[in-house]
Amino acid sequence: KNQVEQSPQSLIILEGKNCTLQCNYTVSPFSNLRWYKQDTGRGPVSLTIMTFSENTKSNGRYTATLDADTKQSSLHITASQLSDSASYICVVSENTGTASKLTFGTGTRLQVTL
Amino acid sequence: EAQVTQNPRYLITVTGKKLTVTCSQNMNHEYMSWYRQDPGLGLRQIYYSMNVEVTDKGDVPEGYKVSRKEKRNFPLILESPSPNQTSLYFCASSRWGRAASTDTQYFGPGTRLTVL
Repeated sequence: KNQVEQSPQSLIILEGKNCTLQCNYTVSPFSNLRWYKQDTGRGPVSLTIMTFSENTKSNGRYTATLDADTKQSSLHITASQLSDSASYICVVSENTGTASKLTFGTGTRLQVTL
Repeated sequence: EAQVTQNPRYLITVTGKKLTVTCSQNMNHEYMSWYRQDPGLGLRQIYYSMNVEVTDKGDVPEGYKVSRKEKRNFPLILESPSPNQTSLYFCASSRWGRAASTDTQYFGPGTRLTVL
């Protein structure tokens, strides 16, 4: 069964600090991996999308890495801000050959405090 | 502004009373999808549509219906809601829905449904 596991489940950090969120997946065959940010009560918003051939992608203070061999990804947040408080969801797309098939992780809830 | 809209945003209803949650996108996207989000679980796909008049089941389709008569609209219908359908529902769209697509998927703001 395809799975996406994220760790930690939750994290509290001080404003200005860096943090790294982890994602391990078993989805096969792999198509691409996405990171989303979901503010409380809102819909997820795309941060990055990486294919098999990409091992790093940045979006401002967010940097995602992908190791397709070990089936691991990480999302690094630099110089955190209060507005980074949200859930971060790792999503892996399966290459079914037809329609896109996404498997969602349960997310890491990040709280940035003063 | 490019967006996916859902209505209503909040709904409390009773078991068995048919309801429809509307979803509309203004980006001329081919692909649209419905998800539900429950505590401790990742988003799970209910139904998706690759194009007008083309719909297919996702992972948890039981108790739901959809239709895609126009490209921009993709309503979710609960013919006879039950308490286990209490959840947070998201509609999403992307330009294409092919497996290898790296198109960004845009999500609506969500509909919080409570079935008593």
